[in-house]
Amino acid sequence: EAQVTQNPRYLITVTGKKLTVTCSQNMNHEYMSWYRQDPGLGLRQIYYSMNVEVTDKGDVPEGYKVSRKEKRNFPLILESPSPNQTSLYFCASSLFTGGGSEQFFGPGTRLTVL
Amino acid sequence: GESVGLHLPTLSVQEGDNSIINCAYSNSASDYFIWYKQESGKGPQFIIDIRSNMDKRQGQRVTVLLNKTVKHLSLQIAATQPGDSAVYFCAEYNTGTASKLTFGTGTRLQVTL
Repeated sequence: EAQVTQNPRYLITVTGKKLTVTCSQNMNHEYMSWYRQDPGLGLRQIYYSMNVEVTDKGDVPEGYKVSRKEKRNFPLILESPSPNQTSLYFCASSLFTGGGSEQFFGPGTRLTVL
Repeated sequence: GESVGLHLPTLSVQEGDNSIINCAYSNSASDYFIWYKQESGKGPQFIIDIRSNMDKRQGQRVTVLLNKTVKHLSLQIAATQPGDSAVYFCAEYNTGTASKLTFGTGTRLQVTL
């Protein structure tokens, strides 16, 4: 089944403890992206990747890192999480960047930073 | 399921009626628009898209209308069903800048029996 998977689905952590949220897609998509979703603010892009070893900042990149060593994986790294990073996170992928390429979203990761 | 927004505008529609969800977009240079549906506990799911050289596009039970003059987008759902209950987002894209969809804050659709 074509899908985007994220792990973990739920995570409670403490301030400053490094964590990684994994994202994997099995559709051979070039483009992958991370979003955070907060009440009243909609989906905001954190980072995106147009292909392997090509990543760039989105609208809210502060406090996050990403890597794209393989086409299928795009982990989101929080080196020193803070409470303002408590949010619902979505990974998405699409065949290519640009109009006409549907983005497929993962099921989401609910992160709470105490 | 996950809460996607505590203060979203809400549209209540009776089962079988037609629904119209509206969206105002911000960038006059945007040339591609998408509607997404997000059910509780799930990620957004593509519904329908439209390019700026079109005014209207129809899918199965859904129609998207684009009015570039007033930067307005609408999603019409015919014969609304309980399974249509979800949060609906519009997203705009500028193929000139590439790489980034900008999402609206969403509208919650509640279908009453």
